[in-house]
Amino acid sequence: SQTIHQWPATLVQPVGSPLSLECTVEGTSNPNLYWYRQAAGRGLQLLFYSVGIGQISSEVPQNLSASRPQDRQFILSSKKLLLSDSGFYLCAWSVRTSYGYTFGSGTRLTVV
Amino acid sequence: RKEVEQDPGPFNVPEGATVAFNCTYSNSASQSFFWYRQDCRKEPKLLMSVYSSGNEDGRFTAQLNRASQYISLLIRDSKLSDSATYLCVVNSLKAAGNKLTFGGGTRVLVKP
Repeated sequence: SQTIHQWPATLVQPVGSPLSLECTVEGTSNPNLYWYRQAAGRGLQLLFYSVGIGQISSEVPQNLSASRPQDRQFILSSKKLLLSDSGFYLCAWSVRTSYGYTFGSGTRLTVV
Repeated sequence: RKEVEQDPGPFNVPEGATVAFNCTYSNSASQSFFWYRQDCRKEPKLLMSVYSSGNEDGRFTAQLNRASQYISLLIRDSKLSDSATYLCVVNSLKAAGNKLTFGGGTRVLVKP
């Protein structure tokens, strides 16, 4: 069966520090991968999605970037965090839209 | 206008009662529809897909009205454990990548 792993679960980082969040999927090949962010009390905002290795589409211009070095690995990064980067970061995968997405358990990031 | 709009609630529901709420979407060409459930500080989880003919899963019934561009979710015999935020999700046909667009969620609180 397919599983998605996301870590760390929680993270507290100072302003200006770098960020690296990792997401891996098991049990499927060539998944579509997504990074979402959910600010406190708000809806989900799509940040990046990828349909294949090295293929990244950005939805919102910001100081974050994403990479997909392997088929089932998706990484979210920042060189310098801002206070406004705080939120709940969720990785998700899908094969086809009609099947919906499956989310990882998320990383709760607090920038201080 | 937002692509997917929901009444944020909260809907305060007595235990055992029925509650229903809608979600409207703006893209008439959307093909796939889902309801997700999100518990506090957790990742969203797929509750059910929404089919053109309507579908039922236990106490949950989903309906799609293409003419008026809305989907609905009805919960019968509400349980305390049904307290959560329900996210309406619609596929986006703007670009490749099988993107789903999430509504802001409807919060449901079931009380004894």
